[in-house]
Amino acid sequence: GESVGLHLPTLSVQEGDNSIINCAYSNSASDYFIWYKQESGKGPQFIIDIRSNMDKRQGQRVTVLLNKTVKHLSLQIAATQPGDSAVYFCADPPVGGSTLGRLYFGRGTQLTVWP
Amino acid sequence: DTGVSQDPRHKITKRGQNVTFRCDPISEHNRLYWYRQTLGQGPEFLTYFQNEAQLEKSRLLSDRFSAERPKGSFSTLEIQRTEQGDSAMYLCASSLETDIQETQYFGPGTRLLVL
Repeated sequence: GESVGLHLPTLSVQEGDNSIINCAYSNSASDYFIWYKQESGKGPQFIIDIRSNMDKRQGQRVTVLLNKTVKHLSLQIAATQPGDSAVYFCADPPVGGSTLGRLYFGRGTQLTVWP
Repeated sequence: DTGVSQDPRHKITKRGQNVTFRCDPISEHNRLYWYRQTLGQGPEFLTYFQNEAQLEKSRLLSDRFSAERPKGSFSTLEIQRTEQGDSAMYLCASSLETDIQETQYFGPGTRLLVL
């Protein structure tokens, strides 16, 4: 925990393009990561998660990639839509291998989708 | 709507007053978390409960803050003698402890403004 950080505070994309949001972490013992989406005035919403025994995980229009060598993960959103405009956070639980307990959040990337 | 509700959604108070927030988790969830989020930052962990037991408190939780979950269902967070620095969004999350992984579902938050 306390090791995640996002690369860019803002990202602007055109509707229909793919978006890539990056997150770096510093603790090589971190083994579980979660991406949350937070729309204005709302609480964070779970999008997708990944464990360290995986390199890639796909959801609906989203893909998370994990590169343990460089301690980097990314969230890819295909065919970005206006409804995807939000702040995106990567988060990880405390160091220790557990998926349980408090989450540590990075600072977030504000994704803006323009027509 | 994740199923986690918080009340009130907004609170304006004067410095020095006490405030109390309520969180109703998803009914079968045994874990409940409180986080604080300031503008431009990710949520920061405050405390969490497993059933009615408060298992962990962050050092962010000064002695003016107290949280309870008396019957293992809803929880309250009280701030005594509020200060302007307490102005933030207070988020509640709940989860169901499983052997595999745990997903925290967040409520909409209570936005506190201390004048």
